[in-house]
Amino acid sequence: GESVGLHLPTLSVQEGDNSIINCAYSNSASDYFIWYKQESGKGPQFIIDIRSNMDKRQGQRVTVLLNKTVKHLSLQIAATQPGDSAVYFCAENTAGAGSYQLTFGKGTKLSVIP
Amino acid sequence: ETGVTQSPTHLIKTRGQQVTLRCSSQSGHNTVSWYQQALGQGPQFIFQYYREEENGRGNFPPRFSGLQFPNYSSELNVNALELDDSALYLCASRRGRDTDTQYFGPGTRLTVL
Repeated sequence: GESVGLHLPTLSVQEGDNSIINCAYSNSASDYFIWYKQESGKGPQFIIDIRSNMDKRQGQRVTVLLNKTVKHLSLQIAATQPGDSAVYFCAENTAGAGSYQLTFGKGTKLSVIP
Repeated sequence: ETGVTQSPTHLIKTRGQQVTLRCSSQSGHNTVSWYQQALGQGPQFIFQYYREEENGRGNFPPRFSGLQFPNYSSELNVNALELDDSALYLCASRRGRDTDTQYFGPGTRLTVL
């Protein structure tokens, strides 16, 4: 998992297995959350987002779960592939409703074992 | 590809110099944000521009400044460069101030010697 202020954690997963990347966010007033994937030498790539009035949102092979009670966000990747290897960041909108300022965690490195 | 482009790709400067980085937002996007990403860290918000005006700023000193042009492209200027300014500088754009999904460019790698 990941939490702002800690060193970069690493998750190793066998190809074909499901991956779960965790994130503890900081601000209980944050109303919007987003996951990005960043490959080496590239900019962050949008994966999926979720608003605070939702608990779960699904995309293609990815699901984001939001637990506001414990300020926890997770990203589930189904049938993990070698191309999923990257650093994954969660970000929260800490500016509050009507404003926008993303605060990022330090990221989790996902390594997929072929 | 997101449609957000940045130039240059890499840049080397010496301490005390000034630098200008450029960003073209995705077509139809009028809001641009700049981030600094140090090695091994997550991106840190510098500031945001909406319709040519600064609309939000992170915890960065005034020597970090920016511009947004009528075509919504943007510049980031950094004066009096310090060694700690060495980082990947990322530009991101959104369709509007009140929309959420933000798309990043590939970044400019700045090295300060």
